[in-house]
Amino acid sequence: DGGITQSPKYLFRKEGQNVTLSCEQNLNHDAMYWYRQDPGQGLRLIYYSQIVNDFQKGDIAEGYSVSREKKESFPLTVTSAQKNPTAFYLCASSPLAGASYNEQFFGPGTRLTVL
Amino acid sequence: GQQVMQIPQYQHVQEGEDFTTYCNSSTTLSNIQWYKQRPGGHPVFLIQLVKSGEVKKQKRLTFQFGEAKKNSSLHITATQTTDVGTYFCAGPEYGGSQGNLIFGKGTKLSVKP
Repeated sequence: DGGITQSPKYLFRKEGQNVTLSCEQNLNHDAMYWYRQDPGQGLRLIYYSQIVNDFQKGDIAEGYSVSREKKESFPLTVTSAQKNPTAFYLCASSPLAGASYNEQFFGPGTRLTVL
Repeated sequence: GQQVMQIPQYQHVQEGEDFTTYCNSSTTLSNIQWYKQRPGGHPVFLIQLVKSGEVKKQKRLTFQFGEAKKNSSLHITATQTTDVGTYFCAGPEYGGSQGNLIFGKGTKLSVKP
């Protein structure tokens, strides 16, 4: 069954701790994306990757880091430098790198709460 | 920078009433995509429009792409409770070769039975 999985669905962390959010896809998609969603703010791009071992900063990359060691996986680390990390995080993928006509497929999301 | 704006931000309708959300881009778009996010869920792709003036229908949903390819609309006829959710439009990043999308902030639709 093809798709994008994100784990966990809910995550609680204490302030000052780094936390890594998982994103895995078995769709054989080239491109992967991380978005942050806050109420009334739509989707804001954190990082994206068009190919293994390469990734680029999006609009709000500060306080976040990513890796793309495998085509299927694109984990996001929320570091202690992120000033307001509590949010809903969405991972997405699309079939072809660099093609603007691709639809994006989203995972179920991880809701992170920092206490 | 490039902006994609949607209005209204919220819309409350009685079941059976029609609903329209509008999307405007600060730049000409090669295409526009629409997504729906149910409460507590994730965005799901609905449709992509490519041609100037294009109109596409999906049952009670009608999507339009403006002649200048800078605006779009989604119209739902006779809303049902299953239409509840947030509708986002998205266009490719201008001048970008990375396939990134710029999302509007969405229109949140609530339907009163």
